[in-house]
Amino acid sequence: DAGVIQSPRHEVTEMGQEVTLRCKPISGHDYLFWYRQTMMRGLELLIYFNNNVPIDDSGMPEDRFSAKMPNASFSTLKIQPSEPRDSAVYFCASRTSWWTREAGELFFGEGSRLTVL
Amino acid sequence: GQQLNQSPQSMFIQEGEDVSMNCTSSSIFNTWLWYKQDPGEGPVLLIALYKAGELTSNGRLTAQFGITRKDSFLNISASIPSDVGIYFCAGQLDTDKLIFGTGTRLQVFP
Repeated sequence: DAGVIQSPRHEVTEMGQEVTLRCKPISGHDYLFWYRQTMMRGLELLIYFNNNVPIDDSGMPEDRFSAKMPNASFSTLKIQPSEPRDSAVYFCASRTSWWTREAGELFFGEGSRLTVL
Repeated sequence: GQQLNQSPQSMFIQEGEDVSMNCTSSSIFNTWLWYKQDPGEGPVLLIALYKAGELTSNGRLTAQFGITRKDSFLNISASIPSDVGIYFCAGQLDTDKLIFGTGTRLQVFP
């Protein structure tokens, strides 16, 4: 399997612009997670989906952030309008269903490094 | 968000030395996992632990699921330069979410 695929790998944008990050989970995984990583706050869970349905978005910083999963093989994280404090590495991760022994094994993409000027 | 306490925060060691790091929580977990993150990459799973007291090895890495279910340990024997990176512990309850530790940054000098 190709693993979790994220795009773009790097994004530099100006404050106020819309940013869209994309993720393709591992085929057959029914959980998808969006994390944000910064030096100050470490790995923060933003939102996660189960079978394409958002389950918990309590980690989404504010209304400027939104995430969708229109089908089992694609998800987006959108920031509109972007601000300099949104600069971070955004990771997408996927895993299989919780009732399997391997349910805790989260597979991460390579991340999207966002810089907002 | 909630995080696990991981220590030490950073380590600077010489090649060949053994490394130990640990993770503690006020909560009980059913699964403990250890991940490694190389610079510019996403975290990669090293070892998964599913049972209190379990001791599991993966090459030079050995991890243990604490008997109280509130802690876990990772040891790396005979470190090499490619061990450089950030090591994260993660704990899972019966819920869907993994809680990540704050990370241990490892630097290995030849």
